[in-house]
Amino acid sequence: QSALTQPASVSGSPGQSITISCTGTSSDIGTYNLVSWYQQHPGKAPKLIIFGGSQRPSGVSTRFSGSKSGNTASLTISGLQAEDEADYYCCSYAGPTTYWVFGGGTKLTVL
Amino acid sequence: QVTLKESGPVLVKPTETLTLTCGVSGFSLSNTAMGVSWIRQPPGKALEWLAHIFSNDEKSYSTSLKSRLTISKDTSKNQVVLTVTNMGPVDTATYSCAVIWFGKFHFDSWGQGTLVTVSS
Repeated sequence: QSALTQPASVSGSPGQSITISCTGTSSDIGTYNLVSWYQQHPGKAPKLIIFGGSQRPSGVSTRFSGSKSGNTASLTISGLQAEDEADYYCCSYAGPTTYWVFGGGTKLTVL
Repeated sequence: QVTLKESGPVLVKPTETLTLTCGVSGFSLSNTAMGVSWIRQPPGKALEWLAHIFSNDEKSYSTSLKSRLTISKDTSKNQVVLTVTNMGPVDTATYSCAVIWFGKFHFDSWGQGTLVTVSS
């Protein structure tokens, strides 16, 4: 069982927006605004799409956005495109004992 | 631009020790403020962080696997090595290395990963 809780699957139609939640505890997400999100297409390496809770790396579409409220982080993808269909993982820094924890992953299906 | 490439055995027997190498190119481990983590992913399952070596050679390990893991780096070869002792079928996974830049807390670049199967 993963340390962070994500829905197993979400779906949306092209052009719509979806949000993926990532729930942790006061020991990780609640204390550190250091959540990152990764997109993983089948057979490929994960790709960083959000870091520091809401920052986008250079080259990542502005359709991807991140936020945090309490112990829950969220990834929103607007204007869904077929190429967004992938698995998405959240990750949080959890301090100098646990270090990094991942979510169980969410499979996004673009209908 | 940093690139990483994992290498190691594709098949190990139960109770054996696994040794994996992460080759880093584009930056020097000896004079670049970067750390390298190992992360694994069993087939069809989630990512799991295993270990990290910082630029100052400080090491950190997953609490649940700490007794079985050792991470080290060979700056002359620009490589990071992970050993996992007492391998079992549940350790079957794709093992990947990833870079964290100094002062950051996210995995910026990833290797493609290497699938390791544990079977007799």
